Amino acid sequence: QSALTQPASVSGSPGQSITISCTGTSSDVGGYNFVSWYQQHPGKVPKLMIYDVSNRPSGVSNRFSGSKSGNTASLTISGLQAEDEADYYCSSYTSSTPVVFGGGTKLTVL
Amino acid sequence: QVQLQQSGPGLVKPSQTLSVTCAISGDSVSSNSVAWNWIRQSPSRGLEWLGRTYYRSKWYNDYAVSVKSRITIKPDTSKNQFSLQLNSVTPEDTAVYYCARGLVATGFGDWGQGTLVTVSS
Repeated sequence: QSALTQPASVSGSPGQSITISCTGTSSDVGGYNFVSWYQQHPGKVPKLMIYDVSNRPSGVSNRFSGSKSGNTASLTISGLQAEDEADYYCSSYTSSTPVVFGGGTKLTVL
Repeated sequence: QVQLQQSGPGLVKPSQTLSVTCAISGDSVSSNSVAWNWIRQSPSRGLEWLGRTYYRSKWYNDYAVSVKSRITIKPDTSKNQFSLQLNSVTPEDTAVYYCARGLVATGFGDWGQGTLVTVSS
C-alpha cells in the first residue's frame, strides 16, 4: 500500500492560515470518511489533531480544521503560531490494510 | 487518563526477533471499544502501521501486508499489556516503535513513549 501524498514542506507567517494536503485514491481517502491528522514536534510522540476528516479531539485548538474533497483531504491551521511549527501526518482507512499514513509535511513558521 | 508504557531492548541482531511490550494503565486490553496498535517510524519509511489486536467477544488481529509473515501481536490480560514480536529482522527494521490506542475511525489518541530499536550486529 503506497503512502498518502503530502507536500514535503509548507510555511507561513504568524497569524496567517496554511493548508496541508493529503492525496490518496478512491480506495482510501476518497472512499471513506476516516482521515486523521497528527502533529509531531521533534523528538516527541505524534499527537492526534483531527479524526473522521473534520472532528477535533477534546483539547485541540479550534484553529485546526480538516476537510475533504474527492481523494484529497486537507488540514488548515488558522492564526498560525510559533508553537505550530512541527511535522504533520495524515492517515486514512484503506480497503486493503486498515491504515495508511502520509509521508509527512514539515511546517515552518517564518 | 490512559497511559501506555513501553519496554524492550534497543538493540537486536540481524535475523533475530524484535520484542517490545506496552503496559496499559487507565484502560483494559480487553476493552471492546478500542484496538491496540503497533506503529513504527523511520526516516526512510515514515510512519508505518504494523498491526493491531482487539477484543470483540473474542480476540482478533490484523497485520500490515509488509510484515504479515514475520509479526505477532499478543494481548496479555493478566498483566494488562500487549506485545509486538517481529521475526527475522534486518537493518531495514531499525525504527522507533510506538504502541497506540485507538481505532482507525477515531484516530490513535494515546501513544506510548516510543522505543528506538536498532538492528545491527
